[in-house]
Amino acid sequence: DTGVSQDPRHKITKRGQNVTFRCDPISEHNRLYWYRQTLGQGPEFLTYFQNEAQLEKSRLLSDRFSAERPKGSFSTLEIQRTEQGDSAMYLCASSPAGAIGELFFGEGSRLTVL
Amino acid sequence: GENVEQHPSTLSVQEGDSAVIKCTYSDSASNYFPWYKQELGKGPQLIIDIRSNVGEKKDQRIAVTLNKTAKHFSLHITETQPEDSAVYFCAASTPNDYKLSFGAGTTVTVRA
Repeated sequence: DTGVSQDPRHKITKRGQNVTFRCDPISEHNRLYWYRQTLGQGPEFLTYFQNEAQLEKSRLLSDRFSAERPKGSFSTLEIQRTEQGDSAMYLCASSPAGAIGELFFGEGSRLTVL
Repeated sequence: GENVEQHPSTLSVQEGDSAVIKCTYSDSASNYFPWYKQELGKGPQLIIDIRSNVGEKKDQRIAVTLNKTAKHFSLHITETQPEDSAVYFCAASTPNDYKLSFGAGTTVTVRA
């Protein structure tokens, strides 16, 4: 399968713990996005990378959130000191260079904070 | 930033009937308008998109129309089938902006 893959698919954690999600984009895509989706809502933009450079971060991305894409390939999203409000689906997407076009989404990582 | 509103939030149609979902956007500079379909447990998948230099685009049973003056765009699904049941999201993007702003989604149920 050459689509976007995310790991883990599900994560249950206790409040205050740290969690990390990984995203492997489509190999030839140089843009990588993180979105958050809560029940009954559309995806909300968190951040995006062009190659290894993080070019934009949403105000939704508090200091407890950090994202990296060290070699311009896979990316990680870490949430420190999780809160119940962090419970959501975290979606990763990738796209090729050029004008904005189709974003290819992974199946998401569902986080539940108890 | 761009704000996209989507209506209705739920839509139930009889198999074979048409379904229409409408979205409005706030930034008149927006020039790219995709529609995504999300099935349970999966990520959103692009079904059709339109750019601002085009007023209408059609792909088999799916069509999208764009009214730049009114800042709204619509998705039309004709001859609906049970496999069309899903959540549909509209989105918009402005020039030189590489992210999408999504609507809140429409849950479409096709009754057999």
